[in-house]
Amino acid sequence: QSVLTQSPSASGTPGQRVTISCSGSSSNIGTRHVNWYQHLPATTPKLLVYDNNQRPSGVPDRFSGSKSGTSASLAISGLQSEDEADYYCAAWDDSLNGWVFGGGTKLSVL
Amino acid sequence: EVQLVLSGGGLVQPGGSLRLSCVASGFTFNTSWMHWVRQAPGKGLEWVAHIKQDGSDRKYVDSVRGRFTISRDNAKNSLYLQMNSLRADDTAVYYCVKGSPLGSHWGQGALVTVSS
Repeated sequence: QSVLTQSPSASGTPGQRVTISCSGSSSNIGTRHVNWYQHLPATTPKLLVYDNNQRPSGVPDRFSGSKSGTSASLAISGLQSEDEADYYCAAWDDSLNGWVFGGGTKLSVL
Repeated sequence: EVQLVLSGGGLVQPGGSLRLSCVASGFTFNTSWMHWVRQAPGKGLEWVAHIKQDGSDRKYVDSVRGRFTISRDNAKNSLYLQMNSLRADDTAVYYCVKGSPLGSHWGQGALVTVSS
């Protein structure tokens, strides 16, 4: 079991907006920033969002992050076939004294 | 261009040791936190360890503490992971990862297989 909880799967159709959620606790998301990563098949993971809602240069504004209390969300608008990937949230955990990842959400574009 | 080039993966028997090396280029290595992250077959990402810019702060996930050691040589722009007492559940692709923020850049990954 991962410390951060994500739904195992999500899906949408091209052009749609989908949201992936990440649930934690007061020792991680509740007091720390959240990062989001995209992992396409046969590639290395890519940072999509850091510090809850900041996008690294080069990441399209179709990807946006938010946080409320002990939960965080990644929204993807204008869904495209190339968005089909695994998505992970991560945060520092003060109790474990280390970084923790969610179990990942596999996004399918139907 | 940021590059993180890994070496040292391979097959090792349970109880054995292996050392991963990561050579960095394209950024000022001695100003970045560095991390190791792994992914076991069919599983998600798992943070393994991190090290501060000057090596003064090192943290580990519980499952590897006491068996793995993260280190760095800023003069050689290199990050290392010494893995001892390896177990079957250490089998994974290991990534060298640039921090600040975590995951801003990832190395290509090195497969470590622990099996007899």
